[in-house]
Amino acid sequence: DAKTTQPTSMDCAEGRAANLPCNHSTISGNEYVYWYRQIHSQGPQYIIHGLKNNETNEMASLIITEDRKSSTLILPHATLRDTAVYNCIVRVATSGYALNFGKGTSLLVTP
Amino acid sequence: GAVVSQHPSRVICKSGTSVKIECRSLDFQATTMFWYRQFPKQSLMLMATSNEGSKATYEQGVEKDKFLINHASLTLSTLTVTSAHPEDSSFYICSARDVSVDEQFFGPGTRLTVL
Repeated sequence: DAKTTQPTSMDCAEGRAANLPCNHSTISGNEYVYWYRQIHSQGPQYIIHGLKNNETNEMASLIITEDRKSSTLILPHATLRDTAVYNCIVRVATSGYALNFGKGTSLLVTP
Repeated sequence: GAVVSQHPSRVICKSGTSVKIECRSLDFQATTMFWYRQFPKQSLMLMATSNEGSKATYEQGVEKDKFLINHASLTLSTLTVTSAHPEDSSFYICSARDVSVDEQFFGPGTRLTVL
């Protein structure tokens, strides 16, 4: 799987949009960008994934650059409950392989 | 999404005892389950891959005789930490693969503390 680079930590005010960047310059053509988050002392939670096009669901939006070398996860209206570690993972489509978690970005949403 | 449960959610045991952790897929059949552990302020690290009906595949540095994995049914995998020591204290997390949607789902984790 391609390696990803994320900032160690970020802050965001409650109610504002949180934009979490991820670099994956060595991504291959058949690899997807996945985002998970882990709230303290809980298992990881799937957020969103995409290949080329931007994606949106009820939790977040995923913006992938045209060259696919980077992406941004957007939480449009961050709440205190969004405080968590966010992991950007690049992987092939099949779920038959374990996920390779890095240290991710620790997002702190403040009142 | 699909639901994966783990039991117990937290356990405290004495050094030298064995602890069994269960991972269940509640509404789907999981041919493959993964076991991870996470030390404080560290990322999840894969311990082993468990396929139903066959022996688990362990990652380098993980002792298969110490961390016994059994995946005897399509909805249950167990991880037994044998002769636990304080350095085995960690957060153990499983994930299960749902082939019908080709996706993995994580359990809530088990906090193990060895005194």
